Amino acid sequence: NAGVTQTPKFQVLKTGQSMTLQCAQDMNHEYMSWYRQDPGMGLRLIHYSVGAGITDQGEVPNGYNVSRSTTEDFPLRLLSAAPSQTSVYFCASSYSTEEFTEAFFGQGTRLTVV
Amino acid sequence: GDSVTQMEGPVTLSEEAFLTINCTYTATGYPSLFWYVQYPGEGLQLLLKATKADDKGSNKGFEATYRKETTSFHLEKGSVQVSDSAVYFCALAFMNYGGSQGNLIFGKGTKLSVKP
Repeated sequence: NAGVTQTPKFQVLKTGQSMTLQCAQDMNHEYMSWYRQDPGMGLRLIHYSVGAGITDQGEVPNGYNVSRSTTEDFPLRLLSAAPSQTSVYFCASSYSTEEFTEAFFGQGTRLTVV
Repeated sequence: GDSVTQMEGPVTLSEEAFLTINCTYTATGYPSLFWYVQYPGEGLQLLLKATKADDKGSNKGFEATYRKETTSFHLEKGSVQVSDSAVYFCALAFMNYGGSQGNLIFGKGTKLSVKP
C-alpha cells in the first residue's frame, strides 16, 4: 500500500535551473495538492487539482507550474529556480465526503537552490 | 479569511508531564478540524480529527474536542513520552466547499521536545 510517493527526496539546484518534482498516488483520489513548508510558516498551499485536467492556484503559486493528465500523477515544475524556493515540498491527496475531508501526505522533497 | 492559530513553541516537557497545545480557528463555515504530527525527517501523519461541534478526536493517547463556541481544538495528552517529540500542526478543511474541497489550512506548527 504505497499511498503518496514523492521523488526525489533531496535535490540541489543552481539558480535558473528547472526541474520537476514528481508525485503519484495509488488511492484513486480526485483531489491532489502541493504544499511548501518553511520554518515558522507552517505549510502553505502552492497548487491543487480537483481531478484530471483541472488545476488551480493556492496561496503561493508564483514560480511553479502544475498539470494533471491522470488521476494518479500531479507533478510540480519549477521553470527557473530561485533561492526563495528553497523549502521542503509536500504532495498530498485527499478524499472528501459530505461529512469530512482527509488528506494523505508524501514523505517530502527537500529542495535547496544555490 | 479562514485561518488557524496555534501556540508557538518550542515546548519542552519532561516525560509523563501533561501536554496542552492550543489551537483556535477563524472560518466562515463549519470546517473539519485536524491535528497532524511530523516526526523528524518525515512527512505529515494524521493524528486525529473531528468533523462537527462537540466531536472528540482521539488517537495514541492524544485528544482534542471541537469547540464551536470558542472556535478551538486544543490538543491534550495526559502523560507524554520521549517518542512524542515531534512537530504538531493544527489544520482545518472544508467539506464540499466549491472547487477547493480538500484544501487544508495549517497553523504554523508547534515543536514538542520531551526529555527523559
